[in-house]
Order: sequence, then C-alpha cells, then structure tokens
Amino acid sequence: DAGVTQSPTHLIKTRGQHVTLRCSPISGHKSVSWYQQVLGQGPQFIFQYYEKEERGRGNFPDRFSARQFPNYSSELNVNALLLGDSALYLCASSTTTDTQYFGPGTRLTVL
Amino acid sequence: QKEVEQNSGPLSVPEGAIASLNCTYSDRGSQSFFWYRQYSGKSPELIMSIYSNGDKEDGRFTAQLNKASQYVSLLIRDSQPSDSATYLCAGTLGWVNDYKLSFGAGTTVTVRA
Repeated sequence: DAGVTQSPTHLIKTRGQHVTLRCSPISGHKSVSWYQQVLGQGPQFIFQYYEKEERGRGNFPDRFSARQFPNYSSELNVNALLLGDSALYLCASSTTTDTQYFGPGTRLTVL
Repeated sequence: QKEVEQNSGPLSVPEGAIASLNCTYSDRGSQSFFWYRQYSGKSPELIMSIYSNGDKEDGRFTAQLNKASQYVSLLIRDSQPSDSATYLCAGTLGWVNDYKLSFGAGTTVTVRA
C-alpha cells in the first residue's frame, strides 16, 4: 500500500505570496494532521482534520488555513508568506488512534 | 516549560554499543508516547510507540515509560552506523487533545564505525 504522499516536494516563494501544499493520506485513514518543522527543532502542530472537520489547531496565525476533502486528502494554505515560514511542512495520517505516519514533506523556502 | 523535552545531545557512540536517549514531559495527562527517527533531510519515521508503564522491546530498540516520573527513554542496542539520525520523542494527550503530537527538539545520534 502507498504511504502518505505530499506535493510538491520543494517550493520556492517570495515574501507576500500565497502557497498551497497538498497531502493524500494512507488508504483507509480518515485523519490528516499538518506540522511545521524548522531546522533544528521538532515538528510543531498546525492543524488536524478528521472526516472533513477541523479537530484541532495549533498556535499559528490566521494566515494558515487548511481543509480536508471527501476523499480525505488535504490542503494547507499559507497567505502573505514571511521569511519565517521557511520550513519543512509535514503531513501525517492516522485512523481513529493517535499513531501518526508522516509523508515525505514539502520543503518551503521563502525569499 | 516545553511540553516535551529531550536531553540535548548530540550523542556519539561506537558501533556495537548501547545508545540511551531520554525524554521528559510536563503534562501528566499525556497518554501515548512515540519515538520517531529522522534522517537528515527526510521526514520522521515511526520506530516505537508505548502506552503503559514499563518496557517495550522491538528488535534492537527498547522503549521505557515511567508515568510517575514523567519520562520516556529509548535504548538502541548493538548500535549500527545506519542508526545515525535524529531521534524525536513525541507525546499526545489522546482524544482529549485531538491526538496532537507534541515533539521534543530531538537528539542527534552518531554511531562511529
């Protein structure tokens, strides 16, 4: 079975632009979570969705938004990009338990 | 205070030795704990989960959980160069907190051949 997939792999944007990151969970998994990992730190929780409903939100500004589609895939949107948004963005999928499996990530560079 | 803290490392061990990694957490409501391995430039890979006090063994890895003292540890026996990576400790409050994973900053392990 395929694991979690994310696209794109790498992305370069300039300050003020908008970005959309995409994630497809493991088949049969209904929950998707998004994390941001900056260099030298552990991942920080951004959002969790289950059955298309937002179940949790981390301490991130309103510039960050997400949604989950009927096929359980998900998008993370970031508006008005700042230099500090440069990071590895990780998507994790899970069933109804708390064991989360991560995708390969999208590395975002903001110039 | 951070929710999850790891001994800062980095940790360097000779091949064949035991690598010991420690993690403490602040919220007594935390229910589940996970160890992830992250190679440089890659995403975290789940290697162990532990939910109950005591030890859990999986191959060369042993996770230990002590809820009274609020710490989690990971032992890597017979360390191999391929074990060189950053190890992330994570905890969750479970359903109460939407299964949000709270991560430590990670401990970088280097296994010397």
